[in-house]
Amino acid sequence: GAGVSQSPRYKVAKRGQDVALRCDPISGHVSLFWYQQALGQGPEFLTYFQNEAQLDKSGLPSDRFFAERPEGSVSTLKIQRTQQEDSAVYLCASSGLQETQYFGPGTRLLVL
Amino acid sequence: AQSVTQLDSQVPVFEEAPVELRCNYSSSVSVYLFWYVQYPNQGLQLLLKYLSGSTLVKGINGFEAEFNKSQTSFHLRKPSVHISDTAEYFCAVSDRNFGNEKLTFGTGTRLTIIP
Repeated sequence: GAGVSQSPRYKVAKRGQDVALRCDPISGHVSLFWYQQALGQGPEFLTYFQNEAQLDKSGLPSDRFFAERPEGSVSTLKIQRTQQEDSAVYLCASSGLQETQYFGPGTRLLVL
Repeated sequence: AQSVTQLDSQVPVFEEAPVELRCNYSSSVSVYLFWYVQYPNQGLQLLLKYLSGSTLVKGINGFEAEFNKSQTSFHLRKPSVHISDTAEYFCAVSDRNFGNEKLTFGTGTRLTIIP
């Protein structure tokens, strides 16, 4: 009965480093979403998977952001050559088809 | 495109007093409506949702919200708040169309309960 888990919970990166953020969705959930939450703001959509297919990546802010879900379960959000403006909390959510999204605790990324 | 407006960034309320957190949305298509709560250093937790049917929706922790289509609003209410209700509250919408389930959030309202 575990919920959505994310790792690491906190990440400090030097500007220019690559980072990888992991999301373990609720078992059996078909849909997986990534959101970015800047300080003092609401979450903003990044990308959406249905099983292993990435159906919507319209929210990815630049080509430095890349997400994958190769086996339709665990997902990884990768940010290449991190910039200070990438500092935010990255939230993952999973759901059944057209069902409630359940959110993980987030990964807080700080780029120095 | 959809957007959500939460006009009140911060709302202080005395313990046991009633509270209303306002949410207005705009969309060119029919939407589903949600309220999520975020406690410090935690993820988002669903309070309640409106999909169809009765416009008055009851959620967890004594919260309720009313969908008003003509005013495009989905205000959240609680008749008597507790210290434990201190948190950030987010209103969100999603497209009813299948395959486009991403949530669009407002900027949030920080509810502070004064003892």
